[in-house]
Amino acid sequence: RKEVEQDPGPFNVPEGATVAFNCTYSNSASQSFFWYRQDCRKEPKLLMSVYSSGNEDGRFTAQLNRASQYISLLIRDSKLSDSATYLCVGISGAGSYQLTFGKGTKLSVIP
Amino acid sequence: DAGVIQSPRHEVTEMGQEVTLRCKPISGHDYLFWYRQTMMRGLELLIYFNNNVPIDDSGMPEDRFSAKMPNASFSTLKIQPSEPRDSAVYFCASSEGYTNTEAFFGQGTRLTVV
Repeated sequence: RKEVEQDPGPFNVPEGATVAFNCTYSNSASQSFFWYRQDCRKEPKLLMSVYSSGNEDGRFTAQLNRASQYISLLIRDSKLSDSATYLCVGISGAGSYQLTFGKGTKLSVIP
Repeated sequence: DAGVIQSPRHEVTEMGQEVTLRCKPISGHDYLFWYRQTMMRGLELLIYFNNNVPIDDSGMPEDRFSAKMPNASFSTLKIQPSEPRDSAVYFCASSEGYTNTEAFFGQGTRLTVV
């Protein structure tokens, strides 16, 4: 079983919609989490970090639930430019610095 | 800084040939990662280095794969001999380290083995 699991989608949503992605992780020792964005045929780039208290960056909100071992990303008022694949990432603790990526969730925002 | 630089961007080779992928990390970053991305398996960590020392190579699929980091500014991933199932996009990434810093990716090398 992969350590970080995501629904691969695709999610096809109209412009202006709100969309939410979830990601579950199996390694309870994972200490830090992130959401990365990857455009078609490009490299992944950091979107935002994820904190237990939740964090918001404009239309994007990320949340971590350690008790249930899942991470979420909420995108409000979707734009065409949000179309991409969203990857959740966990970093193992305990002396290791291994970034483990989920397979990604593909989002298509439709006009 | 120009970011993480990988070469070549594209590589087409025949089965059985040796392939060498190259990476120059961002100056000052202590961690370097090699990933492979395919549609079926997503992004898989192959190996990572800390201060030029390989820390975890458990993701390297077979003995045909080897990676080196002779100095802080250069790393190679070698496949010998290559096979068609090695076809994928190979990414190099670097990071300052610690648990809350960003990993920066190169543009990747698209490898096709025919």
